[in-house]
Amino acid sequence: GENVEQHPSTLSVQEGDSAVIKCTYSDSASNYFPWYKQELGKRPQLIIDIRSNVGEKKDQRIAVTLNKTAKHFSLHITETQPEDSAVYFCAASPSGSARQLTFGSGTQLTVLP
Amino acid sequence: KAGVTQTPRYLIKTRGQQVTLSCSPISGHRSVSWYQQTPGQGLQFLFEYFSETQRNKGNFPGRFSGRQFSNSRSEMNVSTLELGDSALYLCASSLALQGYEQFFGPGTRLTVL
Repeated sequence: GENVEQHPSTLSVQEGDSAVIKCTYSDSASNYFPWYKQELGKRPQLIIDIRSNVGEKKDQRIAVTLNKTAKHFSLHITETQPEDSAVYFCAASPSGSARQLTFGSGTQLTVLP
Repeated sequence: KAGVTQTPRYLIKTRGQQVTLSCSPISGHRSVSWYQQTPGQGLQFLFEYFSETQRNKGNFPGRFSGRQFSNSRSEMNVSTLELGDSALYLCASSLALQGYEQFFGPGTRLTVL
């Protein structure tokens, strides 16, 4: 089955700096890669996603890049703000089972004011 | 639109008991997936239901089961509870055929004593 590895497990940045979180996946059949943000005690919230026919997607301060050859994808957050502090999860799902997500282990992002 | 709702939000059970958790998807969403979240194992896929049929199943023992009703509401059941079943159980709904995005509910926090 699919295996998703996520790095780093913790990340601290100064407010205004950029943050990058990286994930690798094992199943070359995976073609959907969402990122979720989970604040303490709250539900995971979808913040951005990318499909395998796209190499990069951007939404305001957040961007995701995908390298299918290397089987890795990354989340980029620019101009970080204290409210960006949360746990971020990457995930992957195979073609035909888009709702069966395999999650990475999560990254605790702390934005220092 | 109202979001995904789950009941109950908190539950305390003892070993050997069974428990039923409920999930109401976003109106119009026909797919419901269930995930278990623990500090040690992270977010793990349990199963997915679409049109009252189980479409995919994760690597969990047969004590974990579920079902979906004609109104797309879903329930999951855990029998013969073990201490290790203590977790946050999240459900997520999706339009299924019209999109990949999954939207999570607030979860049910199950504690097994």
